[in-house]
Amino acid sequence: GENVEQHPSTLSVQEGDSAVIKCTYSDSASNYFPWYKQELGKRPQLIIDIRSNVGEKKDQRIAVTLNKTAKHFSLHITETQPEDSAVYFCAASAGGYQKVTFGTGTKLQVIP
Amino acid sequence: DAGVIQSPRHEVTEMGQEVTLRCKPISGHNSLFWYRQTMMRGLELLIYFNNNVPIDDSGMPEDRFSAKMPNASFSTLKIQPSEPRDSAVYFCASNLGGVGSNQPQHFGDGTRLSIL
Repeated sequence: GENVEQHPSTLSVQEGDSAVIKCTYSDSASNYFPWYKQELGKRPQLIIDIRSNVGEKKDQRIAVTLNKTAKHFSLHITETQPEDSAVYFCAASAGGYQKVTFGTGTKLQVIP
Repeated sequence: DAGVIQSPRHEVTEMGQEVTLRCKPISGHNSLFWYRQTMMRGLELLIYFNNNVPIDDSGMPEDRFSAKMPNASFSTLKIQPSEPRDSAVYFCASNLGGVGSNQPQHFGDGTRLSIL
């Protein structure tokens, strides 16, 4: 089955700096890569997603990149703000009924 | 849109008791997912349904766990008998899924389960 690895597990940045979270996947058939943000005690919420026919996608301060050859994808947050502090999960989904496999999460702390 | 609705939000019960968690997916969504989240194991997929039919239950930990989806608007996850190691947050999610679809999953607020 699919295996998704996520790094780093924790990340501290100064407010205004950029944050990068990286994920790798094992199943070359994976074609959908969502990213979720989970604040403490809350539910995971989709923040951005990318499909395998696209190499990069941006939404304001958030961008995702996908390298299908290397089987890795990354989340980039620019101009970080304290409200960006949360746990971020990457995920990969492949074929059939699109079973989603989640990474282990990155706890991002933005220091004011 | 009311979102995915889960109940109860919190459940505290004693070891050996039966626990039933409930989920109402977003209207029109045809796929439903049950996840368990713990610090040690992260977010684990337990089972998912498409058009009320269980598609993959390989994540269900053991026979003490069972899930049903009697209709498009309701699903239950049952643990019988419950054990302290079942303590976790259980999330339900739904999407407009099916073969070849790439739709994001929408999560409910979760049920925080504590087994004493």
